This record gives sequence, C-alpha cells and structure tokens, in this order.
Amino acid sequence: DIVMTQSPDSLAVSLGERATINCKSSQSVLYSSINKNYLAWYQQKPGQPPKLLIYWASTRESGVPDRFSGSGSGTDFTLTISSLQAEDVAVYYCQQYYSTLYTFGQGTKLEIK
Amino acid sequence: EVQLVESGGGLVQPGGSLRLSCSASGFTFSNYAMHWVRQAPGKGLEYVSAINSDGGNTYYADSVKDRFTISRDNSKNTLYLQMSSLRPEDTAVYYCVKVRAAAGVYDAFHIWGQGTMVTVSS
Repeated sequence: DIVMTQSPDSLAVSLGERATINCKSSQSVLYSSINKNYLAWYQQKPGQPPKLLIYWASTRESGVPDRFSGSGSGTDFTLTISSLQAEDVAVYYCQQYYSTLYTFGQGTKLEIK
Repeated sequence: EVQLVESGGGLVQPGGSLRLSCSASGFTFSNYAMHWVRQAPGKGLEYVSAINSDGGNTYYADSVKDRFTISRDNSKNTLYLQMSSLRPEDTAVYYCVKVRAAAGVYDAFHIWGQGTMVTVSS
C-alpha cells in the first residue's frame, strides 16, 4: 500500500496569513510517461462531505478560490492557502489515486489563531 | 446539477448484512467510475471500494475484501454496496463518490454524496 503522511496534524494560523500543509507518500505517485502526479487535496468542514480542491497535485478544481494552491512532485506535496479566511477552517486531506487502494492522509485540522 | 443520494444505512448486529444504494442524477452515470469511501465517527477518510464505468472491474480495500461487494445498475443510475459479516469497526458514514472525468478509475474523487450512517452494534 502507498502510505500518505500529512504534517502537521493540526495548525493554527492568523487570518490573512499563509497556511501550509505537507503530504508525503511512501512511494512516488508520479506517472512519468505522462508527467502527472496522481495526488489530490480535499477540504472537509464539520458535518459536510469532503470537497475536491486540487487534483493532479496542482490543478485547482473549478470554483475553488485562487488562494488555494498545490505543489510538489513524486513523493512530496504541499497545499498552500495564501491568505487564510475564516471559511477555510476545516480538515484537509491529501489522497493518492496512483494505486487502486486510493489511500488518504490522516488529515490536518486547520484553525484560526 | 450532479447529485448523489445514498440510502440503506442503519443499525445492524455484528455478523449481519446491509445493502447501501446510491442514486445518481445530473450526469451520464454509465460513463463514470464510482467509489465508496467511509468515515468512522471522529476519524479520517478510508477508501472502501471502486467500480469502473461498465461494472467489469471492481476494487476493494483489504479491510473489506471478501465481505463487501460493489456493483452498479447503469439502467437505473444506481450504485450499490452489499456488506456482509459486518463488524463494529465497520461503523461509519459511507459516502458514494463520482470521479472527476469519464476516463477510468485512476482519477480524483470529484462529487461526494451526503453519506449514510452504518452502525454495527449489538
């Protein structure tokens, strides 16, 4: 299985400041022949299902604010929120879809400082 | 509007069975792979099972293999999850999920239903 490990487990950031969440996979999720990283980021607010934010590691889903960005390749990835808004309080998950075991990271809880 | 509506959850005794359904609308269901993902109370997300667009290929997490069966009826726009030999650790909200593109199972999880709660307890 590909193990996805996020850091930190929780994060408190002031409004307007940058938030950075890291995700590391136990093996590469880069499909080199097409140069695509099979990595997605999701946001889950309390009482709601997850919402897709980023796919192919850096492609923002339609309708997602441009303060959200994804970067990285191979085994190391980052989700960045450039200027934290109150509505961004949520748990964030990374996920690999390189393997049909589709593993998720353990989640990072983002709060306002 | 794309919609996924799960049903069939409830309370079941350990060792029992349950069938979940997911009714899809707003897109050409038969073109898309579909998934089930679960979330135990207060815990993270766990992939359960996947099925390709024509139902010919299925995939399972090790934790549910040989106990759960995913299937679909493209004529009814419905996804199913037959769960048997249920255990307390299967207690979770079960989400039905549509992939992003009509291009196979290796894709991000685009649209999620609201989920249905399954509780396994005596």
